[in-house]
Amino acid sequence: DVKVTQSSRYLVKRTGEKVFLECVQDMDHENMFWYRQDPGLGLRLIYFSYDVKMKEKGDIPEGYSVSREKKERFSLILESASTNQTSMYLCASSLQSHGYTFGSGTRLTVV
Amino acid sequence: AQSVSQHNHHVILSEAASLELGCNYSYGGTVNLFWYVQYPGQHLQLLLKYFSGDPLVKGIKGFEAEFIKSKFSFNLRKPSVQWSDTAEYFCAVGRSGGYQKVTFGTGTKLQVIP
Repeated sequence: DVKVTQSSRYLVKRTGEKVFLECVQDMDHENMFWYRQDPGLGLRLIYFSYDVKMKEKGDIPEGYSVSREKKERFSLILESASTNQTSMYLCASSLQSHGYTFGSGTRLTVV
Repeated sequence: AQSVSQHNHHVILSEAASLELGCNYSYGGTVNLFWYVQYPGQHLQLLLKYFSGDPLVKGIKGFEAEFIKSKFSFNLRKPSVQWSDTAEYFCAVGRSGGYQKVTFGTGTKLQVIP
C-alpha cells in the first residue's frame, strides 16, 4: 500500500529548540504539503512544495521553514519552537488531479 | 483566496438516520472539491472528490456529494448512517489547475448513536 510516513508520532520539545519534522512518501508524487490541525480551526496550510527544491508559503508560514532536497522527502523546520506551535502536524502528498494522501501526523508539544 | 465554511460543527444522529453535512466555499473560478474523513485515531483519508462532469459524486462507504455551482455548495450526504461512520468530516476546495493546494473547512464531528 502507498504511504506517507511521518518520522515521529509524538514529540515533546522545549521552547526555543530547533525542531525537525520529517515526511517521506513512496508514491513519486510531485506535490507535498505541511498542515497543522487544531481543534475548531481545521487544517491550515503552512508550506507546500511542487518540485524538488521548490517551496511556496501557505497561509501560516511564520515561524516555520521547509526543505525538499529529494522528491520523496519534505521536512518542516521550527526555527525556534514556541508554545503556540503545539499542534498536530500533518504531511500530505498528491499528484495532479488527485486528492491528498496523508500521513498519520506528528503531535508536537512545546513546553 | 478561497475559503470554506462548514456550518455544522457537531452532529449527533441515530443509526439509520439520513445525513447531510453542509459545505460552502467562496472562490470565483473553477474549483476542485473534496470531502475527507478522519476516523478516531486514524489519519485523514479521501472520501470523494469532484473535478468536473456529473455534479453528483459518489464516494466510498455509500457517501455522495452534490456540487451546486450557483450556490457555491458541495454538501455531503448518506441515506442511512451507521455507528462506524462516527468521525470528523472535512470539506476542502482547491483551484482547478493549481498545484493541488487546497483550503480546508473547520470540520464537522459526526457522532452516530447505536
